[in-house]
Amino acid sequence: QKEVEQNSGPLSVPEGAIASLNCTYSDRGSQSFFWYRQYSGKSPELIMSIYSNGDKEDGRFTAQLNKASQYVSLLIRDSQPSDSATYLCAVTPGGSYIPTFGRGTSLIVHP
Amino acid sequence: SAVISQKPSRDICQRGTSLTIQCQVDSQVTMMFWYRQQPGQSLTLIATANQGSEATYESGFVIDKFPISRPNLTFSTLTVSNMSPEDSSIYLCSVDRPSLQETQYFGPGTRLLVL
Repeated sequence: QKEVEQNSGPLSVPEGAIASLNCTYSDRGSQSFFWYRQYSGKSPELIMSIYSNGDKEDGRFTAQLNKASQYVSLLIRDSQPSDSATYLCAVTPGGSYIPTFGRGTSLIVHP
Repeated sequence: SAVISQKPSRDICQRGTSLTIQCQVDSQVTMMFWYRQQPGQSLTLIATANQGSEATYESGFVIDKFPISRPNLTFSTLTVSNMSPEDSSIYLCSVDRPSLQETQYFGPGTRLLVL
């Protein structure tokens, strides 16, 4: 069973702070890593993808991947109340084209 | 980007009955996926539906309980059969994004409550 683990939270941060969300995965052969955002009552939407070790930045979002340690993280700079949502980590196991999702981390950004 | 619609958006059903969920995509796609998201749980893949072939079910899901149709490249249905309260969940269809391999667009979901 390929597993993707996330702390369910909630993670509470003040507006303007950096939110750090973490994810670990079990399959060393995984090659593709994604972060989805899911607002309450809505479906998930992709916000970041990363395929190689290191950092990938897109606006206020930075995804970090460390394959040796089997973790992937998402940093949200200058957090806004509108960032309050559940963030799902997804990892595509080796030999598959379908991602496995973690349970998600609930983020609350308070004014 | 693909536009995906689902019907119904929500429903309340009695145990022992069946519900068919429809998923419509505004463009032709090779694969469509059906997920379940139970409260506080991750997205769990039920099956992958390719047009013109039998759906491929994940471990723990069977065709008798979740029959799937895929009559063409823009449409699929998932039926939740002989429902029990444990089937209460959000059911999501998705398609993969041809421009970004292995990532998926999700439909708005169907919120099902079984009494």
